[in-house]
Amino acid sequence: GAVVSQHPSRVICKSGTSVKIECRSLDFQATTMFWYRQFPKKSLMLMATSNEGSKATYEQGVEKDKFLINHASLTLSTLTVTSAHPEDSSFYICSARSPGAGETQYFGPGTRLLVL
Amino acid sequence: RKEVEQDPGPFNVPEGATVAFNCTYSNSASQSFFWYRQDCRKEPKLLMSVYSSGNEDGRFTAQLNRASQYISLLIRDSKLSDSATYLCAVTPGGGADGLTFGKGTHLIIQP
Repeated sequence: GAVVSQHPSRVICKSGTSVKIECRSLDFQATTMFWYRQFPKKSLMLMATSNEGSKATYEQGVEKDKFLINHASLTLSTLTVTSAHPEDSSFYICSARSPGAGETQYFGPGTRLLVL
Repeated sequence: RKEVEQDPGPFNVPEGATVAFNCTYSNSASQSFFWYRQDCRKEPKLLMSVYSSGNEDGRFTAQLNRASQYISLLIRDSKLSDSATYLCAVTPGGGADGLTFGKGTHLIIQP
């Protein structure tokens, strides 16, 4: 099946710093990747849709200047949490659609962010 | 009204029993439907897509009822390893839409 990786798996940072999370499709090319966030005991919430070579589409309520998304190649999308604050602490998960798999999305293992 | 609703449970079920849960969605234009399984502190893993005609994969059966706007998941002969949170997800379709997830139903299979 389609494999998606994320790095780092967990990160602890100080308030005010920026954190970059990478999402890679390992065995397929993904023109579209998605970024989700999950707070404890809550559902996954779509943050943005990342399209290769163009600007990301953000969901309502997600600050595009705070969550910078870059999708420079067909196998890599990055999410940068700028000036992180404790309320940004969450589980960030990316997904990618595999060509030929229709609407099916395959998820990366997630990145657990803790902002102190 | 929430877009995708699930009974959070937990459902405590003895090993070997059959368990079923539903998920309702509010957007009648939704086109694609999925069940994902999520283990504690892990990413969701696709369990199965849900088709209008219904589909079965081993012990798992998924159904879609467009008229009543719900999807269901049936697990037969439940195993201890089936203990997890089951998330339903829908997408409006169109090829470039992210998934809208329910909060998940927590299933505990007891020996």
